[in-house]
Amino acid sequence: GAVVSQHPSWVICKSGTSVKIECRSLDFQATTMFWYRQFPKQSLMLMATSNEGSKATYEQGVEKDKFLINHASLTLSTLTVTSAHPEDSSFYICSARVGGSAYNEQFFGPGTRLTVL
Amino acid sequence: AQSVTQLDSHVSVSEGTPVLLRCNYSSSYSPSLFWYVQHPNKGLQLLLKYTSAATLVKGINGFEAEFKKSETSFHLTKPSAHMSDAAEYFCVVSYNYGQNFVFGPGTRLSVLP
Repeated sequence: GAVVSQHPSWVICKSGTSVKIECRSLDFQATTMFWYRQFPKQSLMLMATSNEGSKATYEQGVEKDKFLINHASLTLSTLTVTSAHPEDSSFYICSARVGGSAYNEQFFGPGTRLTVL
Repeated sequence: AQSVTQLDSHVSVSEGTPVLLRCNYSSSYSPSLFWYVQHPNKGLQLLLKYTSAATLVKGINGFEAEFKKSETSFHLTKPSAHMSDAAEYFCVVSYNYGQNFVFGPGTRLSVLP
């Protein structure tokens, strides 16, 4: 149980285009989903937290107009990188959390490798 | 504020010898603690987790970790390293029922033949 998928697993795009990454909880309903970014040889950095049906909360320094997050249902969150540039190339990982005090972990997706040319 | 320190950025061991990856945390709450492994160009895989039950936690692939509150540590060990253990390892402290995950900087484990 507690499987999270991401699509696509990798994407290459041209500078200036937009890219959408999907994150799905396959066998549970996620009250909260998270988006992380990982640069080579570095740890994960939280970009934003999203709750179903409400606006995402972005971490300091993350441009909300550039990284659009939509959490339309309890099983799907999307991250859209708008007007992508080479510096946006990175490994993007989502995670999902089941609400309630009985659970205290996040379940991670396999990640999406974005390369912007 | 919660934080995680992984004292070694890189650990190198010979195949068949013990592995010790160190993790210290700072938390105002009773923490939940996790170890994840990440192989090159792959996602995170959960090795084990501590959630206030037994202080010695056994995980997958022969790994285990001991929660020591007095030392605020959660070191990861394995009796005998395999070549396939070469990867990046992240220690994580969780609080607020998983709403907040704080990652350590990671330790890269190299296993020499």
